[in-house]
Amino acid sequence: LAKTTQPISMDSYEGQEVNITCSHNNIATNDYITWYQQFPSQGPRFIIQGYKTKVTNEVASLFIPADRKSSTLSLPRVSLSDTAVYYCLVGDPNTGGFKTIFGAGTRLFVKA
Amino acid sequence: GAGVSQSPSNKVTEKGKDVELRCDPISGHTALYWYRQRLGQGLEFLIYFQGNSAPDKSGLPSDRFSAERTGESVSTLTIQRTQQEDSAVYLCASSPTSVEGASYGYTFGSGTRLTVV
Repeated sequence: LAKTTQPISMDSYEGQEVNITCSHNNIATNDYITWYQQFPSQGPRFIIQGYKTKVTNEVASLFIPADRKSSTLSLPRVSLSDTAVYYCLVGDPNTGGFKTIFGAGTRLFVKA
Repeated sequence: GAGVSQSPSNKVTEKGKDVELRCDPISGHTALYWYRQRLGQGLEFLIYFQGNSAPDKSGLPSDRFSAERTGESVSTLTIQRTQQEDSAVYLCASSPTSVEGASYGYTFGSGTRLTVV
């Protein structure tokens, strides 16, 4: 299973764009990249998933370079409610990915 | 129900006692997962159920841990002879199938916070 490396924490201000980068140097051909968000006292919540290039949904964008050894989660115009832990995961969905490894994540703190 | 329900939300137990944690997945979800999250850390995979197939127990940390699931319904995680190191939040997640979960996300419950004193 591919291991991921993310910054431990990040600070931002309301209204700014936040980019969280994740390294996954040994990503396999069939692996996808998935990001989850976790608020205190809650389980993680799926944000976005991608394989290559760029994926965008109503919440975030995910940028994946051609070599796929890293990925960047982009949160546009963050608000205080975006303060949470963000996890980057790598795994093959066709094999279920049920052993997906959640690392320690990145703690994002948004200030007023 | 609309989401994954876990009970109890909090449990304090004495070292050496057995505890049972319950997970009610979303109706129709055939895949169910248990994870453990220690304070300030990521999630550790414990066990996985997919329909009527044999569960994957490869993440269980010791033989004190076991889990059951009846069909595609409720699951219980049992920890025998609890130790202080077992203190953590135990999270349950479900998805329609394992592939859909990995592709579109698992739905997690809010967890059971276990404290062993």
